[in-house]
Amino acid sequence: AQSVTQLDSHVSVSEGTPVLLRCNYSSSYSPSLFWYVQHPNKGLQLLLKYTSAATLVKGINGFEAEFKKSETSFHLTKPSAHMSDAAEYFCVVSGLIGNEKLTFGTGTRLTIIP
Amino acid sequence: DTEVTQTPKHLVMGMTNKKSLKCEQHMGHRAMYWYKQKAKKPPELMFVYSYEKLSINESVPSRFSPECPNSSLLNLHLHALQPEDSALYLCASSFRGGPNNEQFFGPGTRLTVL
Repeated sequence: AQSVTQLDSHVSVSEGTPVLLRCNYSSSYSPSLFWYVQHPNKGLQLLLKYTSAATLVKGINGFEAEFKKSETSFHLTKPSAHMSDAAEYFCVVSGLIGNEKLTFGTGTRLTIIP
Repeated sequence: DTEVTQTPKHLVMGMTNKKSLKCEQHMGHRAMYWYKQKAKKPPELMFVYSYEKLSINESVPSRFSPECPNSSLLNLHLHALQPEDSALYLCASSFRGGPNNEQFFGPGTRLTVL
């Protein structure tokens, strides 16, 4: 079984400052991990994914995440926040091979202060 | 074409109505999904179709009936819904399902049941 914990339900940062959204996972196998973003009244867009290749994963719009097995973490970062980054972010872990189910975290709402 | 489309964008229906939601993708993906998302919550998986066969049904009430007429099209037939079924219904697709295959989401259908 797998699970995901997003440690902050709401994060506020000023425009131009760094963003850190925290995610811890639990899995009995080597997981695939994803970060998705959802803007208001929109579908989910994939930001980046980790699939056991490089531990530092670069995504779209300047986001990146680092897989740390020893800490069971997959935190999302961005050096400089932009107003358009305001959205809901979901950390997601996949199931075993042959299992199409994704397990979603509860989400982190990112607010950008002008 | 790298997107998942959903129609209609909004739907209002009474509890005795019959309606259908439609989802389409032309990316050659062979796994397709229906999710339900309530406000301020992560998406909840309802159904998975893999190679046009229903592979996962998450104990969804029978008033929701999925259909996959071909590899590009996914429908969700609705009948005798309850007000608590009001939500954003998201469709997604992936190349073949499985842990390394990211899911691509459509923009959703906002359903209101009166």
